[in-house]
Amino acid sequence: SAVISQKPSRDICQRGTSLTIQCQVDSQVTMMFWYRQQPGQSLTLIATANQGSEATYESGFVIDKFPISRPNLTFSTLTVSNMSPEDSSIYLCSVEWTGVGYTFGSGTRLTVV
Amino acid sequence: GENVEQHPSTLSVQEGDSAVIKCTYSDSASNYFPWYKQELGKRPQLIIDIRSNVGEKKDQRIAVTLNKTAKHFSLHITETQPEDSAVYFCAASPNTGGFKTIFGAGTRLFVKA
Repeated sequence: SAVISQKPSRDICQRGTSLTIQCQVDSQVTMMFWYRQQPGQSLTLIATANQGSEATYESGFVIDKFPISRPNLTFSTLTVSNMSPEDSSIYLCSVEWTGVGYTFGSGTRLTVV
Repeated sequence: GENVEQHPSTLSVQEGDSAVIKCTYSDSASNYFPWYKQELGKRPQLIIDIRSNVGEKKDQRIAVTLNKTAKHFSLHITETQPEDSAVYFCAASPNTGGFKTIFGAGTRLFVKA
């Protein structure tokens, strides 16, 4: 399975600002996934980041709010733009390997004040 | 699209008793069913998975059963220990290797010593 480094681990941000979360994988992967986990809730897929093409967003999530970069097969970023308190959540990147399921990054705990 | 329902939302058992968590899914194309354990403040971690060509899989005190006809699968933990206390998520996917995975809402398991 992969080792994923995600940063920052947490941040407190002012409303109206943006935060970029980085995710680095120790192996090349075709797809990387970005999830949101609100307090006490399940994991909701935001988008699938494909190298060399636009990210694929799930219903309820749009590129203007959550722009994603995928410059190579080991790295991706998720930006949370124009933040409001409702964006306070844990954001997790993940990759999936055949036969071993998802490996998650350590998560970014975002608080918007 | 896929919808995964998970029950119960909370489960409290005495140490040494068994715990059972049940999930149903809607998409007949799903054929990979992982279970994740998330301890407080940590990332979800895969604990066991099952594929549609298998009816049951066991790993020490943990077992998973799958009824593909009825579209439900269950997690069984025997001889529960306090360290089993966590949130457990079931999930369903068409396959591993980069396909979107849908998570259940989660079950918060308390094991009382």
